[in-house]
Amino acid sequence: EVQLVESGGGLIQPGGSLRLSCAASAFSVSRNYMNWVRQAPGKGLEWVSVMYSDGTIYYGDSVEGRFTISRDNSKNKLYLQMNSLRAEDTAVYYCASETSRRDNAFDIWGQGTMVTVSS
Amino acid sequence: DIQMTQSPSSLSASGGDRVTITCRASQSISRYLHWYQQKPGKAPKLLIYGATNLQSGVPSRFSGSGSGTDFTLTISSLQPEDFATYYCQQSYSTPRTFGQGTKLEIK
Repeated sequence: EVQLVESGGGLIQPGGSLRLSCAASAFSVSRNYMNWVRQAPGKGLEWVSVMYSDGTIYYGDSVEGRFTISRDNSKNKLYLQMNSLRAEDTAVYYCASETSRRDNAFDIWGQGTMVTVSS
Repeated sequence: DIQMTQSPSSLSASGGDRVTITCRASQSISRYLHWYQQKPGKAPKLLIYGATNLQSGVPSRFSGSGSGTDFTLTISSLQPEDFATYYCQQSYSTPRTFGQGTKLEIK
C-alpha cells in the first residue's frame, strides 16, 4: 500500500530544534516531488517546503533560513530539520507527495505529526 | 507569490443540496488548480486535480470547473459525509499556495 508516515513531533521550547521524519512505503521519495505542509491549530493549510526529484529545494518565507528539508534515499525517508523554533511554528506537519501525473497535485498525504513550541 | 482566495469562508447547507465553492487566483494559473477535502483530525484528501479531473475513488457528485483565474468546486447533492472543510491549491508556481478554506456545515 502506498503511504507516508510522519514521526518526530513533540513539545519543544522556543529556540529549540526538532527533526521530523516521513517514511514512504510502496513508492520512492527520490523519484517524486516531496513537500512539507503545516496546519496551525484551527487554521488553514500552509505550504512549508519542497524537494524535487532532481534535488532542487524551495522554502516558504516563514521558515527560510531556519528549516532544512532533506532525504535519505537508502531509507526512503524525507526529513525536515527545524531550528530556532517559534511559538508560531506550532502546527500539525504533513508530508505530501506531488505527482506530475495529476498536474502536480498532492495526491498522497501522511497522517501528520504535531509540533508544539511552548515554554 | 500567487494568492488564492476562496469564497465563501463558511457555508451552511442541507443534505441533498447543490453547493458551489469558488476559488480565485491572483494571476492566471492555467489548469493547475486542485481541490482537497479535510475532515477534523485527518489529513487532506485530494478530490479534483487539474481543475476538472476527478481523483480515483472520489464520488461523481463532486466536479470542478474553470481555468485561468476563476475556479469552482460543485457538489451536486450533499451527502452526510461531505460536511468538511474544502481547500483549493495552485501548483502553477512555487511557493505552492492554498486558499483559506471553506467550512461546509450542516444547516
